[in-house]
Amino acid sequence: QQQVKQSPQSLIVQKGGISIINCAYENTAFDYFPWYQQFPGKGPALLIAIRPDVSEKKEGRFTISFNKSAKQFSLHIMDSQPGDSATYFCAASGANDYKLSFGAGTTVTVRA
Amino acid sequence: KAGVTQTPRYLIKTRGQQVTLSCSPISGHRSVSWYQQTPGQGLQFLFEYFSETQRNKGNFPGRFSGRQFSNSRSEMNVSTLELGDSALYLCASSPWSSGANNEQFFGPGTRLTVL
Repeated sequence: QQQVKQSPQSLIVQKGGISIINCAYENTAFDYFPWYQQFPGKGPALLIAIRPDVSEKKEGRFTISFNKSAKQFSLHIMDSQPGDSATYFCAASGANDYKLSFGAGTTVTVRA
Repeated sequence: KAGVTQTPRYLIKTRGQQVTLSCSPISGHRSVSWYQQTPGQGLQFLFEYFSETQRNKGNFPGRFSGRQFSNSRSEMNVSTLELGDSALYLCASSPWSSGANNEQFFGPGTRLTVL
């Protein structure tokens, strides 16, 4: 049973456009929500993360929006570039889980 | 700081054999986690070690085992390999002693193919 549900499975965006990926969770004990970026043949790389005490976090062109009451969080990629073409995973963990629960992943393709 | 290193990067084994994968965490990190990544099941948690103690274990059969050494390096072992064990095995390193310090950094993975 997947604890974190991620959508869409894939998306195509034009260069300069905005990519939006959504995740939802049920476990209210989760208190850490990272996003990972993975290129083919590579391990996932930590992109940005948020904790429930803030509703938004921005790092460069990447923004996480967090809605604690709805138990949802999303990744926005602004001004998408061809180099952003990758698979993105949301994840969640609780303080004493000692593990990450991952979403199924979203393959983003940025067309030049 | 050097990142997480995993060896070997690629392995080909046959059914019934066993395999040992190795992971060296980022210097100073004492938590090492292992994940299995497949196209069908995605990223699934195997186990996590901290200071040589297993603190959490995922829902995998007993053929999957691991250990951590006093220098924080970790190994995982899969015995009696099955075709379905073909996957990318990822190691993640974290300073995660307790509570909030749970950022995890992944290595490049070991690609295991079982024939």
